[in-house]
Amino acid sequence: RKEVEQDPGPFNVPEGATVAFNCTYSNSASQSFFWYRQDCRKEPKLLMSVYSSGNEDGRFTAQLNRASQYISLLIRDSKLSDSATYLCAVIPADKLIFGTGTRLQVFP
Amino acid sequence: DVKVTQSSRYLVKRTGEKVFLECVQDMDHENMFWYRQDPGLGLRLIYFSYDVKMKEKGDIPEGYSVSREKKERFSLILESASTNQTSMYLCASSPPTGPYEQYFGPGTRLTVT
Repeated sequence: RKEVEQDPGPFNVPEGATVAFNCTYSNSASQSFFWYRQDCRKEPKLLMSVYSSGNEDGRFTAQLNRASQYISLLIRDSKLSDSATYLCAVIPADKLIFGTGTRLQVFP
Repeated sequence: DVKVTQSSRYLVKRTGEKVFLECVQDMDHENMFWYRQDPGLGLRLIYFSYDVKMKEKGDIPEGYSVSREKKERFSLILESASTNQTSMYLCASSPPTGPYEQYFGPGTRLTVT
C-alpha cells in the first residue's frame, strides 16, 4: 500500500461547482499535512496546511480525519483558474511524502 | 519573497554523461531537497540535506549524488546519465523547523538520449 494515495481524476466540473478531493495516508503517526497546487508545467506551490481542527481560506477548506486517516480539500464556487493538479503531502516521520495528485479541470 | 532557482529549465544529455543540476535558494533555509517527478509516480525524494556538508538519502538515491558546500546551494549529480533518468527534477527548500512548507524551484526537465 502506498504511503499517500489520491484519486488521480481528472475531476471535470463546471464553474461555480463545489468539488472535494480526498487523500488517504497509511501511517497513523503522521503529524503534519498539506495541500499543494501544481499548474501544468510549473512547480508545486503550497496551498494550505491542514490542521486538526480544519481550516478555511476563502473558497478552500481543508479537513483532517485521523480516525479514517484521510485529509480532504473542498473548493467552493470553482473558478476556471482553479484548474490544476492538487497534491496532498504528509509527514509520517522526517520527510514530506507527496501523493501523485488529483487533476481538476473547471470548464465554463 | 521566497525564491528557489534552478540552473536550467531544459537539458538534453547523452547516455553516460555526468550531469550537474544546480539549485540556489535565497531564504537562508537550512533544509534542501531534490525530487524527481514522473507521470503516475508523483514526486519522489532523491536526496535531502539539513545542513551544509550534510546529506541524507531519500527514497530513490541510486544513480545520483549530491553536494552541499554552501547553505544556499544544493547540487544534484548524475554520475553516468541513463535514459531512465529522463524526468522533471525539482529542488525545494524549507525553513529549519522541519521539512514543512517546502518552496520549490521551477524545475529542470532533463532528457537523456
